[in-house]
Amino acid sequence: GENVEQHPSTLSVQEGDSAVIKCTYSDSASNYFPWYKQELGKRPQLIIDIRSNVGEKKDQRIAVTLNKTAKHFSLHITETQPEDSAVYFCAASDSGYSTLTFGKGTMLLVSP
Amino acid sequence: DSGVTQTPKHLITATGQRVTLRCSPRSGDLSVYWYQQSLDQGLQFLIQYYNGEERAKGNILERFSAQQFPDLHSELNLSSLELGDSALYFCASSVGGQGEAFFGQGTRLTVV
Repeated sequence: GENVEQHPSTLSVQEGDSAVIKCTYSDSASNYFPWYKQELGKRPQLIIDIRSNVGEKKDQRIAVTLNKTAKHFSLHITETQPEDSAVYFCAASDSGYSTLTFGKGTMLLVSP
Repeated sequence: DSGVTQTPKHLITATGQRVTLRCSPRSGDLSVYWYQQSLDQGLQFLIQYYNGEERAKGNILERFSAQQFPDLHSELNLSSLELGDSALYFCASSVGGQGEAFFGQGTRLTVV
């Protein structure tokens, strides 16, 4: 089955800095890569996703890049704000009806 | 509001007992996933159903079982509960096996 590794487990940045979270996956058949944000005590919510036919996708201050050859994808957050503080999860899904496999999460702390 | 409804929100029970967690997916979603989230763990995939049939199985204990009914709601049954089963249990749904998964608010289970 799929295995997703996520690094770092915690990330502390100053407000305004950029933050990068990296994930690797094992199954070359995976072709859908979403990122979820989970605020304390709340449910995970999708913030951005990318499919394997695209190398990069941006949405305002967040972007995701995908390197299928190396089997890794990254989340980039620019101009971080305190409200970006949360746990971020990457996930991967292969074709067909397979489920999402999540990384263990990254706790992002943005200090004012 | 994600459109995914989980009941109950909180559940406190004693060791050895059995509980049932309920999930109603978003209207039109055929796929339901169950995840367990402990304090020091990420999102651990338990099981997935698609249109009433089991599609994928993760690290689900034999003491746990689930099903998806004709109206597409799903139930997760946890029996012979142990202290270590205390966790936040999330249900998520998606249109199919891929695409955005929408999470419910979770059921916080406390075993005492």
